[in-house]
Amino acid sequence: DTGVSQDPRHKITKRGQNVTFRCDPISEHNRLYWYRQTLGQGPEFLTYFQNEAQLEKSRLLSDRFSAERPKGSFSTLEIQRTEQGDSAMYLCASSLDGSSSGNTIYFGEGSWLTVV
Amino acid sequence: AQSVTQPDIHITVSEGASLELRCNYSYGATPYLFWYVQSPGQGLQLLLKYFSGDTLVQGIKGFEAEFKRSQSSFNLRKPSVHWSDAAEYFCAVGAFGAAGNKLTFGGGTRVLVKP
Repeated sequence: DTGVSQDPRHKITKRGQNVTFRCDPISEHNRLYWYRQTLGQGPEFLTYFQNEAQLEKSRLLSDRFSAERPKGSFSTLEIQRTEQGDSAMYLCASSLDGSSSGNTIYFGEGSWLTVV
Repeated sequence: AQSVTQPDIHITVSEGASLELRCNYSYGATPYLFWYVQSPGQGLQLLLKYFSGDTLVQGIKGFEAEFKRSQSSFNLRKPSVHWSDAAEYFCAVGAFGAAGNKLTFGGGTRVLVKP
């Protein structure tokens, strides 16, 4: 059973460029989450999918951010017109609704974004 | 809305000594509580969780945590720390179902282990 996989692990981009991160959840997990973590802080919730439906979005998710999970499996998080304040680690997580441990959320290794 | 406070930003402990990390939460219903550990530049690894039942829960790597409803606390403990326990530890409260589906994290406690 592989864990949550994220790609790329590190990305350096120039301000104003677009970036996309991919997340592959644990196989058969139907819930998928995105969090953002800045240096010295705890992770902050961005958005959540149940299968392919995006059910909740944080106010942190500005209109430059878009997340998709088109077939209810992998997900992408795109940031358009990046700003230096977007520099952070973007964490993906997944869980299995309906299981006895359905509220246990497993995290990936994260994708580091540096905007220069 | 739920919130989590980890009062200690840094803790330094000698190898072999005991460790206790504090966590206080605010949540209107029965909480789901978690402790995660994060090594530098890495993702979060689940140490243990509390959903219901026995208020003393055992986790991986020799960690345990005790849920105290009257104190709104969920403190993490380890009897004897190993050098490999140096990391950042996050406490989180989960809101699931009608309240949404997300974890709210504390600010973390960085643990340094002295030889």
